[in-house]
Amino acid sequence: DAGVIQSPRHEVTEMGQEVTLRCKPISGHNSLFWYRQTMMRGLELLIYFNNNVPIDDSGMPEDRFSAKMPNASFSTLKIQPSEPRDSAVYFCASSFVSTGELFFGEGSRLTVL
Amino acid sequence: GDSVTQMEGPVTLSEEAFLTINCTYTATGYPSLFWYVQYPGEGLQLLLKATKADDKGSNKGFEATYRKETTSFHLEKGSVQVSDSAVYFCARGLPYGQNFVFGPGTRLSVLP
Repeated sequence: DAGVIQSPRHEVTEMGQEVTLRCKPISGHNSLFWYRQTMMRGLELLIYFNNNVPIDDSGMPEDRFSAKMPNASFSTLKIQPSEPRDSAVYFCASSFVSTGELFFGEGSRLTVL
Repeated sequence: GDSVTQMEGPVTLSEEAFLTINCTYTATGYPSLFWYVQYPGEGLQLLLKATKADDKGSNKGFEATYRKETTSFHLEKGSVQVSDSAVYFCARGLPYGQNFVFGPGTRLSVLP
């Protein structure tokens, strides 16, 4: 079975550019999570969706960050404009709403110069 | 708010040593408890889980028991291998994504 698929795996961009990260959750899962991981701050929850509806976006750092889930099989995390402090590994995870067990993608490593 | 506390790392052990990584959680609701492992350059993988008090989760020689009375879920392995070197995260969560909280992670290095 295919796991959570994220793209791109690596992204290097310049400050001020728009960055879009993509996630395809496991088929049938109805919860989706975006996390950010850095050495300094560890693993931070940015936002999560249940049945394509954003439930908690309190972890989104600021208005430069936005996330969408237009359907059950696709989500995006967008940063516009990007800044060097956004450099991190961004993980997407999905789960069945009823179990609470998260399955993670391999992450998108973002470097903003 | 809900939280998970793990022992500070890094932890360095020799091969075949006994491993314990302590984890405690806040007891809001009746959460499920999880241990995830992250190998270098990879995402987090579920290692084991327990969904109710006194349950024992086990996988790949690792074990953890859901202790409601002490709000703990300590990870143990009797004999670690070099391939166990990774970062281990304790987590608690409820259905519907509520209050899914990770601990800060504990880096384990196993030396041959």
